[in-house]
Amino acid sequence: DAGITQSPRHKVTETGTPVTLRCHQTENHRYMYWYRQDPGHGLRLIHYSYGVKDTDKGEVSDGYSVSRSKTEDFLLTLESATSSQTSVYFCAISESGGTGDKPQHFGDGTRLSIL
Amino acid sequence: KQEVTQIPAALSVPEGENLVLNCSFTDSAIYNLQWFRQDPGKGLTSLLLIQSSQREQTSGRLNASLDKSSGRSTLYIAASQPGDSATYLCAALNYGQNFVFGPGTRLSVLP
Repeated sequence: DAGITQSPRHKVTETGTPVTLRCHQTENHRYMYWYRQDPGHGLRLIHYSYGVKDTDKGEVSDGYSVSRSKTEDFLLTLESATSSQTSVYFCAISESGGTGDKPQHFGDGTRLSIL
Repeated sequence: KQEVTQIPAALSVPEGENLVLNCSFTDSAIYNLQWFRQDPGKGLTSLLLIQSSQREQTSGRLNASLDKSSGRSTLYIAASQPGDSATYLCAALNYGQNFVFGPGTRLSVLP
């Protein structure tokens, strides 16, 4: 299994509070991704990174920010959480991103509930 | 914009049966297509990745095929087992883009 660790695995918080999710990899892969998975919507890309300090928006980026100060860590921040951001969040990594032939590998997810 | 669909949404089969899961995509200019399985409460596990230059890939009892002209990929599971019960997702990648995921097919293999 790819070495991907997401933390926390579960979190319950209140509307309006800031939340940071962490993804840590031991594979030294260049590309990292944050997805959310919701019933009826499937997996949707929030943000991705193609290198240290290099990030870009995905399909559903509003209300989220990311940072990548080291190859191994990719942080997802909800500046002011809303109930619509209740979801399961997955981190993924890849060696080659959208221009290569390497697969994506996923972490086990963070289940986030915003009350 | 690439769109990926998977039919059926759910499938239930008796143990030992061979089965086919379908994945359709709207933009045939894909770079590669990846199949995953997801167990309840878990992340996605990569099963097979087919590059656009390939027609199929095999891993054990799994065989995935790709037909770009028809916008379809199929995942064939031979001699299904209860342990194969999971949700199977496909994801299409266009060059320079990001993976677009299908909604998945939930498979139940009954003992």
